[in-house]
Amino acid sequence: GEDVEQSLFLSVREGDSSVINCTYTDSSSTYLYWYKQEPGAGLQLLTYIFSNMDMKQDQRLTVLLNKKDKHLSLRIADTQTGDSAIYFCAEKARGSTLGRLYFGRGTQLTVWP
Amino acid sequence: NAGVTQTPKFQVLKTGQSMTLQCAQDMNHNSMYWYRQDPGMGLRLIYYSASEGTTDKGEVPNGYNVSRLNKREFSLRLESAAPSQTSVYFCASSPREAADTQYFGPGTRLTVL
Repeated sequence: GEDVEQSLFLSVREGDSSVINCTYTDSSSTYLYWYKQEPGAGLQLLTYIFSNMDMKQDQRLTVLLNKKDKHLSLRIADTQTGDSAIYFCAEKARGSTLGRLYFGRGTQLTVWP
Repeated sequence: NAGVTQTPKFQVLKTGQSMTLQCAQDMNHNSMYWYRQDPGMGLRLIYYSASEGTTDKGEVPNGYNVSRLNKREFSLRLESAAPSQTSVYFCASSPREAADTQYFGPGTRLTVL
């Protein structure tokens, strides 16, 4: 199956920018997603990007996609304590008849006041 | 609009007991999914249903059965629970089979003693 890799932990100070990185292996991926999971809760879709795009911005969130290196990043500007959560990167492969997503292990973001 | 709902939120079972996890969505989505999430790992697909009346195995189907009761409901059954099935179970739905974003329920936290 596809491998999606993320670093496990990231700590930032409130007000700084956070950058969460992800690498994937399937060059035919069609969609790449970022989900947020707060403690004891389900996964909340934050944003997604089509594989033919390089960047997508949505308020404080910026997604960058480097298809050559199969690298995806999520930048959170002006990080707040409420942004503390686990962030999952996921990819959907082209031709995936199951529509399944392949998830990374998640990055635990801790925001210090 | 409740989105994806799951019951129960928490459950403790003894080894060998059976139970059914319930999932329902009110978004008129065609496809539904069951995932499990283990500590420090991403989500792994257990079963999937592209439409009412159809189900397919995912990555880790052993020890589970599913029923797509109607378009709204997709249940996951553990016939004889084992400690290895201690996990958090998430149900998700999406409008169509392969093209669309998946929306997740809040999860069921299951402990098998």
